[in-house]
Amino acid sequence: ILNVEQSPQSLHVQEGDSTNFTCSFPSSNFYALHWYRWETAKSPEALFVMTLNGDEKKKGRISATLNTKEGYSYLYIKGSQPEDSATYLCAFETGANNLFFGTGTRLTVIP
Amino acid sequence: NAGVTQTPKFRVLKTGQSMTLLCAQDMNHEYMYWYRQDPGMGLRLIHYSVGEGTTAKGEVPDGYNVSRLKKQNFLLGLESAAPSQTSVYFCASSPLGYGYTFGSGTRLTVV
Repeated sequence: ILNVEQSPQSLHVQEGDSTNFTCSFPSSNFYALHWYRWETAKSPEALFVMTLNGDEKKKGRISATLNTKEGYSYLYIKGSQPEDSATYLCAFETGANNLFFGTGTRLTVIP
Repeated sequence: NAGVTQTPKFRVLKTGQSMTLLCAQDMNHEYMYWYRQDPGMGLRLIHYSVGEGTTAKGEVPDGYNVSRLKKQNFLLGLESAAPSQTSVYFCASSPLGYGYTFGSGTRLTVV
């Protein structure tokens, strides 16, 4: 069992604010780091899969960075919109096709 | 484009009853997974499959069995349901090295 921690647990921001949250994971046996977006009453949707130290990925206003040596990844949302409200999950992959999920950061964007 | 389809969406079982959850994907993915999601915990892997005819145990396999007789289907069985198996179950599939596509979940209550 691997410990994947996300912080903060929840976050409220005003529309237009930029925000970021953290995923911490073990720095050994790293294969990939996944980010998912999970809206209420829907299923998790893949945002990014990152494999290399220093990777940066971007999708619209959302971007993510990866530091495998120190075991963390940041997810950034620029100019938050109400439709960004969701739980953002990260998951650590060891290469055995097993993903170990964090408990998520619940983001609420207030109009 | 159906993606990953789970049936049923909801089920109530009595302790000791058995049932099978069906997961079907139409994306020709090799890998399929069953997770459970409980309050305050991250998604936890029950069993997974890396191809037709193969299955493997995940983090929390006790009390569950699986079968992957056809590439597109991954079945999760509960032989003798227990209240501790009350949870939301998610199936997912993926090609190697990419993010997972999740089903919409099955909410199971064991009374």
